[in-house]
Amino acid sequence: AQSVTQLDSQVPVFEEAPVELRCNYSSSVSVYLFWYVQYPNQGLQLLLKYLSGSTLVKGINGFEAEFNKSQTSFHLRKPSVHISDTAEYFCAVTEINNAGNMLTFGGGTRLMVKP
Amino acid sequence: NAGVTQTPKFRVLKTGQSMTLLCAQDMNHEYMYWYRQDPGMGLRLIHYSVGEGTTAKGEVPDGYNVSRLKKQNFLLGLESAAPSQTSVYFCASSKDGPVYGYTFGSGTRLTVV
Repeated sequence: AQSVTQLDSQVPVFEEAPVELRCNYSSSVSVYLFWYVQYPNQGLQLLLKYLSGSTLVKGINGFEAEFNKSQTSFHLRKPSVHISDTAEYFCAVTEINNAGNMLTFGGGTRLMVKP
Repeated sequence: NAGVTQTPKFRVLKTGQSMTLLCAQDMNHEYMYWYRQDPGMGLRLIHYSVGEGTTAKGEVPDGYNVSRLKKQNFLLGLESAAPSQTSVYFCASSKDGPVYGYTFGSGTRLTVV
């Protein structure tokens, strides 16, 4: 069975500083990986996804993530954050042989950008 | 250009009462999902549907039922609400599974007292 662990429940950071949100997954088969963002009182929006090919994936709003198969990780990074990036971020996984059915989400990381 | 619409947005129920949450999508998506979101636990899948007339259990289906009589609608029912069902409920839809990305509704905040 697939599972996702987000190692930090909260990450405070000052504006214009770099940030990394950590995600590790567990699966016995190959996977697809995703990052979603949830702004206050809203649903989730897709930030980026890794399906195949280059292990460095670029998404919206200047975010990028790197797939590391040997470390079973998919960490999210941004070189310089803005106040508007304050939100909750969710890592998610689906097994390739189960891709038609469901995503499994991590517990979320709350990014708090301070002025 | 509504996307995924959930009704109601807020609801307070007494223990033992029943209610139905409605999810409607206008994107002709095949797949629809119901998740619940609880602090520190992320989103957990309750039930999902891979097409009109089909439903399947997710990770936490107990105490919930669903129906997908029309392609555009996915209903989540609570027959006898319990305080443990206090949560934020999200509906999502997808063209052909998670690979294409999910479109989420804005959520229903349910409190059971």
